[in-house]
Amino acid sequence: AQKVTQAQTEISVVEKEDVTLDCVYETRDTTYYLFWYKQPPSGELVFLIRRNSFDEQNEISGRYSWNFQKSTSSFNFTITASQVVDSAVYFCAHKGGREETSGSRLTFGEGTQLTVNP
Amino acid sequence: DGGITQSPKYLFRKEGQNVTLSCEQNLNHDAMYWYRQDPGQGLRLIYYSQIVNDFQKGDIAEGYSVSREKKESFPLTVTSAQKNPTAFYLCASSIGGGLYNEQFFGPGTRLTVL
Repeated sequence: AQKVTQAQTEISVVEKEDVTLDCVYETRDTTYYLFWYKQPPSGELVFLIRRNSFDEQNEISGRYSWNFQKSTSSFNFTITASQVVDSAVYFCAHKGGREETSGSRLTFGEGTQLTVNP
Repeated sequence: DGGITQSPKYLFRKEGQNVTLSCEQNLNHDAMYWYRQDPGQGLRLIYYSQIVNDFQKGDIAEGYSVSREKKESFPLTVTSAQKNPTAFYLCASSIGGGLYNEQFFGPGTRLTVL
């Protein structure tokens, strides 16, 4: 079975600091996708990024960057020069394709609450 | 605007009553999902539907029921058999149920059973 672990329950930083959110996953799937979602205080989850298991290139989008390392089963998320508006719960998730019916299921980690203080 | 709507945002019910949570999408998505979120925890899948008139149980389906009579609607009923129904419920949809497709989420309904 798939499992996603976000060991950092809460992180608190001061504005403009860089912060990395860790995500480690377990899977027996050879083909899978990894996702990051942001949940602001309003509650709605916002999709941030998708990465497939065959693409280990790091990705940068503005102040956000993601580091996917298959060798360590990790998909970490870094926010550079954090801002107060980045305060939210961030979820890492896995979707695998070993079984026909499991392909549509997202397995979520427990989330990391990020607080950025002014 | 295209999106997913859930109503109401806050819902209060007495213990022992069934309650139905609404989820509507106008994204023309085939697949829809219901998740439950408890404080400090990730999302857990209750039910999902990849096509109209078909749905499957997720990881925590006991005490819940769904229907998918229309493509745009996927209501969730929390029955009196659900032992601990107070939680935040999120509905999601995706173009299809395949690996590649990301899920888009609604604003959620916070259910409190008194």
